[in-house]
Amino acid sequence: EVQLVESGGGLVQSGRSLRLSCAASGFTFDDHGMNWVRQSPGKGLEWVAGISGVGDRNGYADSVKGRFIISRDNAKNSVDLQMHSLRPEDTAVYYCTKNRGKSWFHDTFDVWGQGTMVTVSS
Amino acid sequence: DIQMTQSPSTLSASVGDRVTITCRASQSISSWLAWYQQKPGKAPTLLIYQTSILQSGVPSRFRGSGSGTGFTLTINSLQPDDFATYYCLQYNTYPRQFGQGTKVEVK
Repeated sequence: EVQLVESGGGLVQSGRSLRLSCAASGFTFDDHGMNWVRQSPGKGLEWVAGISGVGDRNGYADSVKGRFIISRDNAKNSVDLQMHSLRPEDTAVYYCTKNRGKSWFHDTFDVWGQGTMVTVSS
Repeated sequence: DIQMTQSPSTLSASVGDRVTITCRASQSISSWLAWYQQKPGKAPTLLIYQTSILQSGVPSRFRGSGSGTGFTLTINSLQPDDFATYYCLQYNTYPRQFGQGTKVEVK
């Protein structure tokens, strides 16, 4: 069974850092790009960052570029999101997602984790 | 960046109705569009990818169509389990962009 389990969420003060992790299982991890998608309370979905299967390509939403860093460890089947200079508007449930296929350019998310809540206090 | 405009934001319907949700892209995304369903307190699930291909296990009452900049999700004969929020997603370019969501509620 394909599974994604996020961890690392919590309450943090504005301006501080936090690192989220996603543990993957049930599929060939380095064959698939991975992403982080977030959802602020009562709001819609926002793609945050993505990374290719071998980790040579990545992309970020404008709202987090320069503050967040996505990385992966294919030996440990995990993907991380390092978040710096956190702001109250970063408060959200953060979901880890798996790409359906092997393409970096044209691939969508077929499996989602249960999410981890990040709350940034001012 | 590509912007996605989804409509309506809320849709009231009854069991057995046919419902249609529209997503419009600010520039052509070819057929690189997906639809997701989300229920309260749960992660989204993939319904349709590449405009019209049903994800495994998704009932055939869900249908996607369109190309370029205009796309539609149709649910034929709405079932009780279908009351949820639906999102489109463009994956033609980075940054990926979701539509604002459409809540399908009981009429």
